Amino acid sequence: EPEVTQTPSHQVTQMGQEVILRCVPISNHLYFYWYRQILGQKVEFLVSFYNNEISEKSEIFDDQFSVERPDGSNFTLKIRSTKLEDSAMYFCASSGQGIVNQPQHFGDGTRLSIL
Amino acid sequence: KNEVEQSPQNLTAQEGEFITINCSYSVGISALHWLQQHPGGGIVSLFMLSSGKKKHGRLIATINIQEKHSSLHITASHPRDSAVYICAVTVGNLIFGKGTKLSVKP
Repeated sequence: EPEVTQTPSHQVTQMGQEVILRCVPISNHLYFYWYRQILGQKVEFLVSFYNNEISEKSEIFDDQFSVERPDGSNFTLKIRSTKLEDSAMYFCASSGQGIVNQPQHFGDGTRLSIL
Repeated sequence: KNEVEQSPQNLTAQEGEFITINCSYSVGISALHWLQQHPGGGIVSLFMLSSGKKKHGRLIATINIQEKHSSLHITASHPRDSAVYICAVTVGNLIFGKGTKLSVKP
């Protein structure tokens, strides 16, 4: 069964550094999402992406965050100047249709640790 | 603001027991999702439903739109069912509950 893959599985970065989290969604999917989960807390929506642009973003997704689909297969989340509070698990997801019509397929996550 | 509340927060069961996890939410939704999060952190979608009932193997999910309530049932539970079960609702984007940590003892 096709799956969403995320790399790296664990990223350790110094505070203030830029980090790029990578995702390869399922190949025929059109809708892409990023979520984060701070340790011990619930999963939170960050951003959704469709047709090469952001569809929706949460208040967490401020100017230090950006997303990109640089080619036909990758979907990236960039954090420009990381803070300690960015330490979390970041999940990528994709779906073939919009959020109302189809379940999302999640990657295994990237654990981001900011030192 | 839509809140998603799950109960119980933690649940320990003996192998073979019938398990119910509950989810309630506060505003109108387009769909409700049940997700399973493994100890390693990965998330798997179990069900997406907007009415009635769905069944997949030993898992059953029901939703009552009028009461804004959903339940996830596991029949004949097994230690491999041990995980965190998360309810999430579609209100524009996904809003997640805090999850129910299930431990099934052999």
